[in-house]
Amino acid sequence: QVQLQESGPGLVKPSETLSLTCAVSGVSISSYYWNWIRQPPGKGLEWIGYTYYTGSSKYNPSLKSRVTTSVDTSRNQFSLELSSVTAADTAVYYCARWSGSWKSFDCWGQGTLVTVSS
Amino acid sequence: EIVLTQSPGTLSLSPGERATLFCRASQSISSSYLAWYQQKPGQAPRLLIYGASSRATGIPDRFSGSGSGTDFTLTISRLEPEDFTVYYCQQYDNSHLTFGGGTKVEIK
Repeated sequence: QVQLQESGPGLVKPSETLSLTCAVSGVSISSYYWNWIRQPPGKGLEWIGYTYYTGSSKYNPSLKSRVTTSVDTSRNQFSLELSSVTAADTAVYYCARWSGSWKSFDCWGQGTLVTVSS
Repeated sequence: EIVLTQSPGTLSLSPGERATLFCRASQSISSSYLAWYQQKPGQAPRLLIYGASSRATGIPDRFSGSGSGTDFTLTISRLEPEDFTVYYCQQYDNSHLTFGGGTKVEIK
């Protein structure tokens, strides 16, 4: 059974860097594209970007200048860094697996709330 | 960037009724790249439909998807109490991905 679990600080100060990790179990991280998606409180879903174990990545153009993702194959996990955060970056952050066959997200983490506040 | 517009924003229906949710793309997309998700409060989204019309594993057959080009539909044939929640469509095009704004199905 595939499971994803996000972890990281729940509170980040404005202008600092938000850092999250998604631990993957039940499948090799080398087999899929891995994504970050966020949802501000009471609002809809926003795709942040994906990363592949080779280092290949693609980001939402609106966030591209601030986003970095990486994969740690030895730990079977992947990470997100979002720099220069503001209150607008307050959201529940989800990690999710992209199914190449289904062209959709077939497995999600439970999500973690990150609040940007001083 | 392809924009997905979902309508209506809120759908008020009774259990047992049929729900029809719409997702319109700002330009034509491949049906292979259109998916629908259900999200319950406090939970992550769950994949319902992929490829515009294929049900994901374990999804009841009261859920169905259809459409092509710019217009797509999610139909719930007979609403069960657990179906009253929020639904999102999602598209993937040229390595860029967007979600619709969501439709809330509420109890009338």
